[in-house]
Amino acid sequence: EAGVVQSPRYKIIEKKQPVAFWCNPISGHNTLYWYRQNLGQGPELLIRYENEEAVDDSQLPKDRFSAERLKGVDSTLKIQPAELGDSAVYLCASSLLGTALNTEAFFGQGTRLTVV
Amino acid sequence: AQSVAQPEDQVNVAEGNPLTVKCTYSVSGNPYLFWYVQYPNRGLQFLLKYITGDNLVKGSYGFEAEFNKSQTSFHLKKPSALVSDSALYFCAVIVNTGGFKTIFGAGTRLFVKA
Repeated sequence: EAGVVQSPRYKIIEKKQPVAFWCNPISGHNTLYWYRQNLGQGPELLIRYENEEAVDDSQLPKDRFSAERLKGVDSTLKIQPAELGDSAVYLCASSLLGTALNTEAFFGQGTRLTVV
Repeated sequence: AQSVAQPEDQVNVAEGNPLTVKCTYSVSGNPYLFWYVQYPNRGLQFLLKYITGDNLVKGSYGFEAEFNKSQTSFHLKKPSALVSDSALYFCAVIVNTGGFKTIFGAGTRLFVKA
């Protein structure tokens, strides 16, 4: 069974440029998460989807970040414009039922973004 | 504030020796605790979880963790470390803040020397 697939694996852009990340969750997983992981820190939730609905986007910097999950499957995360401080690893994860407390998440390999 | 703490940035242990990676938490209500491992160039992988029941939880790759309510801890343990266990370990807790959210600790890097 394929795991969570993310692309690209690496991205280097100049500040003020736009960037987009793509995630394909595990088939059948209703819940999809986007996390940001800064160097030396644990992942921090940016947004959580239940099917196509964003149920928790309280940590998403909405002035420059946006996300969508059309048809409740694949998802994209966009930054426009990027800032130097956005350099981090962006992780996508999925789980069967996000509101079930005993459900673990499955993570993709992440996209390492470097803003120069 | 609800949080999880991993007090050690790095743990060094010799192969064959027991290992412990520490985690403490602060949540309101019952805690739902997880351990994840991150190998180089790979995504986070689930190791084990505590939801309810026995305080000693067994997980993947021979790891186990002990839930201690009085000390608000959930330390990860393994009786005999392998070099291949060297990785970054994250403790996490699920909290209910008007919706369930997973909060991760900062991570502990484990080095196992041959």
